[in-house]
Amino acid sequence: AQKVTQAQTEISVVEKEDVTLDCVYETRDTTYYLFWYKQPPSGELVFLIRRNSFDEQNEISGRYSWNFQKSTSSFNFTITASQVVDSAVYFCALRSWAGTASKLTFGTGTRLQVTL
Amino acid sequence: DTEVTQTPKHLVMGMTNKKSLKCEQHMGHRAMYWYKQKAKKPPELMFVYSYEKLSINESVPSRFSPECPNSSLLNLHLHALQPEDSALYLCASSQDFMRPQETQYFGPGTRLLVL
Repeated sequence: AQKVTQAQTEISVVEKEDVTLDCVYETRDTTYYLFWYKQPPSGELVFLIRRNSFDEQNEISGRYSWNFQKSTSSFNFTITASQVVDSAVYFCALRSWAGTASKLTFGTGTRLQVTL
Repeated sequence: DTEVTQTPKHLVMGMTNKKSLKCEQHMGHRAMYWYKQKAKKPPELMFVYSYEKLSINESVPSRFSPECPNSSLLNLHLHALQPEDSALYLCASSQDFMRPQETQYFGPGTRLLVL
């Protein structure tokens, strides 16, 4: 079985603050893939990043950065200098090489509110 | 171009109505998905089509009937729905369902209200 935990239900920050969204996962597989999606109020899930279990290199994309640590089974997401447009629900998800019927397992999401 | 389109954006229907949700992608993907999302919850998988064949049905009630007319189109036919079926219905596609590394790209969703 696989599981994704996003312990932070809601986070509120003031614009320009840095914010980190936590994601902890569980899987018995050695090969797996982690994803982050953003869901603004409009509803569409926007793909942000994919990381495989063999690549622990951290990644930076503009104001976004991701810290993948296999030792703690975490894949945290940091937004630097947050902006109002970052307000959304962010989902961490996991899919593993667990047979032909493996599904994308989502965490419960973290709602980020960025205010002026 | 990573775009999945869905129509309609909003739908209100009575419990005796029959309606359909439509999804289209032009990325050449061979896997298409229907998800249901209730408020403040993550998406829940309903159906998976792989190479135009139904691969997964997550024990969805028969009042939801999926259809994949071709590799670019996915429909969800609705009949005799219940108020608890009100939700955001998301369509997604990926290159190949059997490859877990393939990213699923989502459409904007259809907000369904059943009265």
